[in-house]
Amino acid sequence: EAGVTQSPTHLIKTRGQQATLRCSPISGHTSVYWYQQALGLGLQFLLWYDEGEERNRGNFPPRFSGRQFPNYSSELNVNALELEDSALYLCASSLFVVDPARAFFGQGTRLTVV
Amino acid sequence: AQTVTQSQPEMSVQEAETVTLSCTYDTSESDYYLFWYKQPPSRQMILVIRQEAYKQQNATENRFSVNFQKAAKSFSLKISDSQLGDAAMYFCASDKLIFGTGTRLQVFP
Repeated sequence: EAGVTQSPTHLIKTRGQQATLRCSPISGHTSVYWYQQALGLGLQFLLWYDEGEERNRGNFPPRFSGRQFPNYSSELNVNALELEDSALYLCASSLFVVDPARAFFGQGTRLTVV
Repeated sequence: AQTVTQSQPEMSVQEAETVTLSCTYDTSESDYYLFWYKQPPSRQMILVIRQEAYKQQNATENRFSVNFQKAAKSFSLKISDSQLGDAAMYFCASDKLIFGTGTRLQVFP
């Protein structure tokens, strides 16, 4: 069974540009979570999608947005990139109804803003 | 809102010894889960152990066990017989997948 896949693995953007990160959950999982892990910091919760709807949002500015598609894959968009957006972005998926709490993580996308 | 706090940014332990990582949390839920995740240098998040709040018995997975104190809202992870491969970041998390800031564990031979 394929795990959670994220693309791209690395992304380099310049300040002010937009970045799009993608996540494909484990087959059958309906919930997708996005986290930011800046260097030396813990996981900061960004967004939670379930069944195509945004269920919860962390304390991030509106230029961080996303969506979940009918096949449950998800995109994270970061507009007007700032240097401090450089971080590892992790996606996780879970089967919310059956096991709302056990999530499987992808390998992450390393975003570098220069 | 749920909060999860890890007050130990770094810990170290000698190989074969025991180490305990601390975590406290706050929640208004009466029934919930708590988790410990491990993040090795590969960055892959790995579920180590989970505890269901309604179960009084502390969860155990081989060398990993928890000390769950529901009234104190404390959820510590004990690693026995530490191995070099245990070196990693360890995150405590709630069942809303709110994470603590992590504890970096170093294991010395």
